[in-house]
Amino acid sequence: EPEVTQTPSHQVTQMGQEVILRCVPISNHLYFYWYRQILGQKVEFLVSFYNNEISEKSEIFDDQFSVERPDGSNFTLKIRSTKLEDSAMYFCASSGLAGYNTGELFFGEGSRLTVL
Amino acid sequence: QKEVEQNSGPLSVPEGAIASLNCTYSDRVSQSFFWYRQYSGKSPELIMSIYSNGDKEDGRFTAQLNKASQYVSLLIRDSQPSDSATYLCAVPGNYKLTFGKGTLLTVNP
Repeated sequence: EPEVTQTPSHQVTQMGQEVILRCVPISNHLYFYWYRQILGQKVEFLVSFYNNEISEKSEIFDDQFSVERPDGSNFTLKIRSTKLEDSAMYFCASSGLAGYNTGELFFGEGSRLTVL
Repeated sequence: QKEVEQNSGPLSVPEGAIASLNCTYSDRVSQSFFWYRQYSGKSPELIMSIYSNGDKEDGRFTAQLNKASQYVSLLIRDSQPSDSATYLCAVPGNYKLTFGKGTLLTVNP
């Protein structure tokens, strides 16, 4: 069964360092998303991406965050200068066309980011 | 801004009982609603979607939607310990899904 894969599964970094989280979406999916979940809190939307550009972003997704699809398979989230409050589980998801309307988002297992 | 509220929980039920999970939403024009399940330490997965008023059944799961009251619920019949998880209500928005904070369900053997 096709799945979304994320690397690394856990990353520890020092405050102020840059972090890149990587995702390989399901191959025939067209929409890609990043969500984050701070421990014990809700799953929060960060950004959606379609046709090589951002479709929607939340208030959390400020200038410290960026996304990129550098090739035909990877989808990355970069945090330029990490803060303590960036510590969270980051989930990548993908969907077919307008999957956000049908609710059919497929999530990866997440990348846990710990900022010290 | 579409919001979903899940204020009940945590919920604990004995094995074999019916578990009832609730969600209210703020946007009257929302047309579809989704229930996701998230096991501890895992990612969310879609278990039910509902688009029209009334009930939708899928195995032991029944989703209920009341658009007039802006209320959606999930019933789990014959609850099993394997149903122990956090259940997230979600609504579609502009190129995204918005999730509620979830209700933690524990099914006790």
